[in-house]
Amino acid sequence: ETGVTQSPTHLIKTRGQQVTLRCSSQSGHNTVSWYQQALGQGPQFIFQYYREEENGRGNFPPRFSGLQFPNYSSELNVNALELDDSALYLCASSSPGQGIGYGYTFGSGTRLTVV
Amino acid sequence: SQQGEEDPQALSIQEGENATMNCSYKTSINNLQWYRQNSGRGLVHLILIRSNEREKHSGRLRVTLDTSKKSSSLLITASRAADTASYFCATDGGEYGNKLVFGAGTILRVKS
Repeated sequence: ETGVTQSPTHLIKTRGQQVTLRCSSQSGHNTVSWYQQALGQGPQFIFQYYREEENGRGNFPPRFSGLQFPNYSSELNVNALELDDSALYLCASSSPGQGIGYGYTFGSGTRLTVV
Repeated sequence: SQQGEEDPQALSIQEGENATMNCSYKTSINNLQWYRQNSGRGLVHLILIRSNEREKHSGRLRVTLDTSKKSSSLLITASRAADTASYFCATDGGEYGNKLVFGAGTILRVKS
């Protein structure tokens, strides 16, 4: 059973650019959630995907968007990057019978730096 | 938005001592979970307690939940240097439904 894999590990982008982060969910999990964690803070919920449809969204602007693919892997896209987008981006997978009331499985994250 | 706050923000203890971290939250919940994060990397699930439970144990971990006070505590007994990490509580069943809402975390340092 594989865990959650995120790529890339680190990324440096220039303000105004666009970025795509990727996540492969744990085997058997069909739900993927994305979180943004600024330095020294707890993770903030961005959105969740279930069976390729968005299933809830946090307080993030529309320039944060996502996709989930038939194999349940997922992408997080951020357009028009701002300096405040610099953070650790975490992906977590779960399954319906497991996600509610059970722990999520997190990836190691992508460290995004916007300069 | 953060669901609540952890207390203390930072804790430094000697190996073998017990570490207690507290978490407060704002809305009604279904479950409360505790996660550990080493060196700013991924989160590791430690333990989950349901809203109708008051106490739960897992190895050296003991979690309590007081829904009337909207608070929880995590006790790590006989701490080890390897327990050095940030600890976060997370709730679900609040404003984002079954999605997790995290607190700001407690940084634990265990000195050997």
